[in-house]
Amino acid sequence: GAVVSQHPSWVICKSGTSVKIECRSLDFQATTMFWYRQFPKQSLMLMATSNEGSKATYEQGVEKDKFLINHASLTLSTLTVTSAHPEDSSFYICSAEAGSYNEQFFGPGTRLTVL
Amino acid sequence: AQSVSQHNHHVILSEAASLELGCNYSYGGTVNLFWYVQYPGQHLQLLLKYFSGDPLVKGIKGFEAEFIKSKFSFNLRKPSVQWSDTAEYFCAVRSSGGSYIPTFGRGTSLIVHP
Repeated sequence: GAVVSQHPSWVICKSGTSVKIECRSLDFQATTMFWYRQFPKQSLMLMATSNEGSKATYEQGVEKDKFLINHASLTLSTLTVTSAHPEDSSFYICSAEAGSYNEQFFGPGTRLTVL
Repeated sequence: AQSVSQHNHHVILSEAASLELGCNYSYGGTVNLFWYVQYPGQHLQLLLKYFSGDPLVKGIKGFEAEFIKSKFSFNLRKPSVQWSDTAEYFCAVRSSGGSYIPTFGRGTSLIVHP
């Protein structure tokens, strides 16, 4: 199956700093990438949908100025958590799809801890 | 807005027992339905999917799911579970009314005792 990587797999940062998370589709071109947040024992909460070359579409309640998404190529999308605070600590997961409305291939996730 | 309900949050079974996990969705238009599994320490992967055609879908590792349109359901089944099926299971829906944005259920934690 298709492979999606995320980097880093975990990160610890101080409050107020910014953190960038990369999501790459390794063996296919992803027309769309999704960014999710997963809280312990809870479901995946979709944060935004990212299409290559266009602005990301954010879900209601997600601050676009805080969670900056860049989808510069068909194989790379980045999520930058700006001025991170302890409440931003979470598990962030990306997924990518090659076609429309089809199967998503998930990355392994990034554990963010903000001190 | 579309929503997905997974009624069983925690399921504990012994090996060889049969499994059925419930999934109901709220939207009545055209839907694409998915079951994903997340094994401990691993990323989500697709178990099976339904787009159209035969409502009984067979997936990997002996899993199957049945799409019942009248009940807005897509329950996951396996006749005989194994210890290695211990994982978190997520139902997901993408619908025409929701612009095909994926919506996930809250997940079901399955523990299979050997």
